[in-house]
Amino acid sequence: SAVISQKPSRDICQRGTSLTIQCQVDSQVTMMFWYRQQPGQSLTLIATANQGSEATYESGFVIDKFPISRPNLTFSTLTVSNMSPEDSSIYLCSVETRLGNTEAFFGQGTRLTVV
Amino acid sequence: AQKITQTQPGMFVQEKEAVTLDCTYDTSDPSYGLFWYKQPSSGEMIFLIYQGSYDQQNATEGRYSLNFQKARKSANLVISASQLGDSAMYFCAMRATTGANSKLTFGKGITLSVRP
Repeated sequence: SAVISQKPSRDICQRGTSLTIQCQVDSQVTMMFWYRQQPGQSLTLIATANQGSEATYESGFVIDKFPISRPNLTFSTLTVSNMSPEDSSIYLCSVETRLGNTEAFFGQGTRLTVV
Repeated sequence: AQKITQTQPGMFVQEKEAVTLDCTYDTSDPSYGLFWYKQPSSGEMIFLIYQGSYDQQNATEGRYSLNFQKARKSANLVISASQLGDSAMYFCAMRATTGANSKLTFGKGITLSVRP
């Protein structure tokens, strides 16, 4: 298993500002993902964070709005840029420790409220 | 494409009784994995159980078991001896286990409330 530390756990931000969320894993992982969960909804994949290269974004998500970094195999950041109230969600980091693993672990989540 | 369907309305169960949470899926992938997660009000996603499409036996993890019926494309979660702490949202998810894309596809979730 992997222990994932996600920071901050929650934040209240002003519209138009940006927030960077950090995801730190206690061991090297093959895959890191970022998900968004809007209020009362299920999880939607934002992007796959690729080590040393640009993230792979899902349809409806763009790098300018959600820039992602992954400088090594244990750390990634997601930035929510130029925030609006519609960005109020829980953002979750997920990791897999090896390809084809039978488990997928999540961080504690970041509960973001934009006012 | 993969699809997960969870259509049950909010579920209620008496403490110490068993409860079944339904999940059906659709996929064209020949090999896939099915997951269940618990999300309490704190927001974290807690991994509960995994079932591989080629596993011969249904998965079990403590009080959690997965009733996997491949022909019917269902993967229901059974929680035995419910506890008050089981009150949470429960999500079914799946992903292909072949190819490079291992992202998870989630259902809409089911709310479970355990009554004392």
